[in-house]
Amino acid sequence: EPEVTQTPSHQVTQMGQEVILRCVPISNHLYFYWYRQILGQKVEFLVSFYNNEISEKSEIFDDQFSVERPDGSNFTLKIRSTKLEDSAMYFCAGGASGSDTQYFGPGTRLTVL
Amino acid sequence: AQTVTQSQPEMSVQEAETVTLSCTYDTSENNYYLFWYKQPPSRQMILVIRQEAYKQQNATENRFSVNFQKAAKSFSLKISDSQLGDTAMYFCAFMKHGINYQLIWGAGTKLIIKP
Repeated sequence: EPEVTQTPSHQVTQMGQEVILRCVPISNHLYFYWYRQILGQKVEFLVSFYNNEISEKSEIFDDQFSVERPDGSNFTLKIRSTKLEDSAMYFCAGGASGSDTQYFGPGTRLTVL
Repeated sequence: AQTVTQSQPEMSVQEAETVTLSCTYDTSENNYYLFWYKQPPSRQMILVIRQEAYKQQNATENRFSVNFQKAAKSFSLKISDSQLGDTAMYFCAFMKHGINYQLIWGAGTKLIIKP
């Protein structure tokens, strides 16, 4: 059964550094999402992406964040200048259609020191 | 704005017992979807069950079933014959039908199955 994959599983970075989190969605998925989960808190929506552009973004997704699908397979989340409060689990998800169930990757744990 | 509330931070039951996790939501929408996701200690987010609001019949997946009460805006998850592998955080999530399909999440219920 196809799965969403994410790399790396754990990323440790210094405050102010740029990080790129990578996701490989299931091949027939067209809608892509990033969510984050700060330890002990609710899962929060960051951004949705369809047809090579952002469909919706939350207030969290400020100018420090960007997403792209550079080669038709990878889906990346970039944080330009990380802050301590960016430490969280970041999940990529995808679906075949907008109303399809969203299938999640295993997550990337980001630790900002 | 939609909100999802899970009022039970933690529950524990004996193996083989039945347990029900509660979820309520607030929305003015008529067309939407509801989900239960499981997050074991590995922190992977795994779909348990999905319910479309337009369907009156409650969804079931093997030992997992829901009680969907649209008028009461309630969406509880029942786990029958609970197993040790069911130990996890369980999240209720809401998705509105429309242009944008973000999931809105509850705070989660930590379920512990005791041997």
